[in-house]
Order: sequence, then structure tokens, then C-alpha cells
Amino acid sequence: KQEVTQIPAALSVPEGENLVLNCSFTDSAIYNLQWFRQDPGKGLTSLLLIQSSQREQTSGRLNASLDKSSGRSTLYIAASQPGDSATYLCAVLPSNYQLIWGAGTKLIIKP
Amino acid sequence: EAEVAQSPRYKITEKSQAVAFWCDPISGHATLYWYRQILGQGPELLVQFQDESVVDDSQLPKDRFSAERLKGVDSTLKIQPAELGDSAMYLCASSFGDGNTIYFGEGSWLTVV
Repeated sequence: KQEVTQIPAALSVPEGENLVLNCSFTDSAIYNLQWFRQDPGKGLTSLLLIQSSQREQTSGRLNASLDKSSGRSTLYIAASQPGDSATYLCAVLPSNYQLIWGAGTKLIIKP
Repeated sequence: EAEVAQSPRYKITEKSQAVAFWCDPISGHATLYWYRQILGQGPELLVQFQDESVVDDSQLPKDRFSAERLKGVDSTLKIQPAELGDSAMYLCASSFGDGNTIYFGEGSWLTVV
């Protein structure tokens, strides 16, 4: 059974730092992995989608990597800003096409 | 930019009453999802539609929850009767199909008192 884990559950860093959020999954048989952002009380915003054949995807200051063999993905945020404060969730798409979600990492960027 | 529309944004209802949520997906998106999210957890899939057909409702508590997408466009999720444990955020999402980027609405907060 596929399980997705995000550690740590919460992270606080000073503004301007580069940071990495982690996502691990137990079954490497996935079609893709997606990273989402969720602001308090709001819906989720898709940030990056990495297909199983890809190693990374980039969008602005965000870079997501995927290593299927080790069951890991990282979301790298460069030059963090207070507006990056949110909860970041990863989700993997296995063979039955039902997304399996992590519980998220709550990120706080201190001005 | 096209968005997934949901209403109401907030709903407070008494236990045993009926409540309904509405969702209008992004135009052209064949796949529509209803999720439930409890604070501090990832979303839980309740039901997935492909056009007007249900493709997965294995996690939907069918004794009290129902969902429909009659014309394959907008969708309604109903709870009757509501229970205290149903308090959560109900999220609608849509995509072109399996494996494509999923777009979420703002969510509907339900509080059952």
C-alpha cells in the first residue's frame, strides 16, 4: 500500500534563505508526483507536476526533483519570502489513478 | 485565468439537517473530484467523476452522502443527515483527465453544531 510522508510537519526559517521540503513514498510504481501549496483556509494550488520519466521540474524560484528508486522528492525554494508561508503538500499518482497525499509541511518565513 | 468555482464558502448547520455544496469545474475538464480535508491532514477523496459517470466512490459514506454530475459539467455533493464528525473543508477539483494537473476550488467550510 502506497504511503506518502512529509517530514518535518512544520518548518520556520528567516527570509532570504534557500530551503528544501521533503516528500517520501513507499512504492516507486508511480505515474507522477505533484506539489501543491495551501494557504490557511483556502484550496490547494498546484505548483509543479513531475512525470515518472522526469527527474525535475522548475518554476520560478521553485525546483522539484524526483528519485523514484529511493522513493523521494524534494521541493527547493530559493531566496524565500514571507509570501511563501503556507502549507506545502505532495501527492503521488499510483497505478489506480487515485492520488495519495502527504499530510503537508507548514512553512513559516520570518521577515 | 479559469478557476474551479465552489459555493457556499462557509456553511454552519445543525446536526441531522441536510446540506449541499456546488461545484463548477474549469471548462473542458472531464474529471471532477470531491475531497474532504480535516485540518492538519491531506485531502481524502470522496468521489471522482469522469464526465457524468462515477469512477470512484469507494470512500464516500453512502448512507448519508450523495454526489451527482448530471450533465457532466457542474456537480453537487449532499450530506443528509449531517453529523458532528462531518465538520471539515470540502474541496472540489477538476482536471483534463488522469495524470494531468489537478486544479482546486477555494473549498467549502462546513461546521456541524
